[in-house]
Amino acid sequence: GAGVSQSPRYKVAKRGQDVALRCDPISGHVSLFWYQQALGQGPEFLTYFQNEAQLDKSGLPSDRFFAERPEGSVSTLKIQRTQQEDSAVYLCASRAYGTGSNGYTFGSGTRLTVV
Amino acid sequence: KNEVEQSPQNLTAQEGEFITINCSYSVGISALHWLQQHPGGGIVSLFMLSSGKKKHGRLIATINIQEKHSSLHITASHPRDSAVYICGVALSNFGNEKLTFGTGTRLTIIP
Repeated sequence: GAGVSQSPRYKVAKRGQDVALRCDPISGHVSLFWYQQALGQGPEFLTYFQNEAQLDKSGLPSDRFFAERPEGSVSTLKIQRTQQEDSAVYLCASRAYGTGSNGYTFGSGTRLTVV
Repeated sequence: KNEVEQSPQNLTAQEGEFITINCSYSVGISALHWLQQHPGGGIVSLFMLSSGKKKHGRLIATINIQEKHSSLHITASHPRDSAVYICGVALSNFGNEKLTFGTGTRLTIIP
């Protein structure tokens, strides 16, 4: 596609429920990032993939958070046993690797509300 | 301790005014990014800078590596420029290019 596509746009989950957020990056983009943005804050890094390899997951806040990108394209961020503090916008971004490309392409985000 | 600080946090101006948003950072970086975020929408990448100055339409971004400071300017501001502007820094341009962001500057342009 022309841009980074995220789904769903909005998700309301009951506390304790598992959720899965999808990111479809720009075709051919090697690098894929997940960020978490709390209300009124800047995005914070969660995890980074280069193709299918998860090279950095230092930002994942707990072992309830899990991300995968099995074929090096679509990525899924899974949150198990959701808590209220998980409520945030989850942003996905992709970038062509090593081309000196200008920047990142972000998706529109998934707004997760845990009730 | 925030590695990236933006000022002001909020800015309201009249249509047509010249706008300046500042970003200071405390670590060595390979690149600095300026992003625009509209309410309810995703983020648009405006500029990536490693030195000097870039211009795109009414937007100008500058960076001073020695002073660890960048500015985003908007000339002839328009209500459609109302958005949150976010500064982000990358420690490496290759490999893990994750960004560390400031908290953003909320800009409101009044007609």
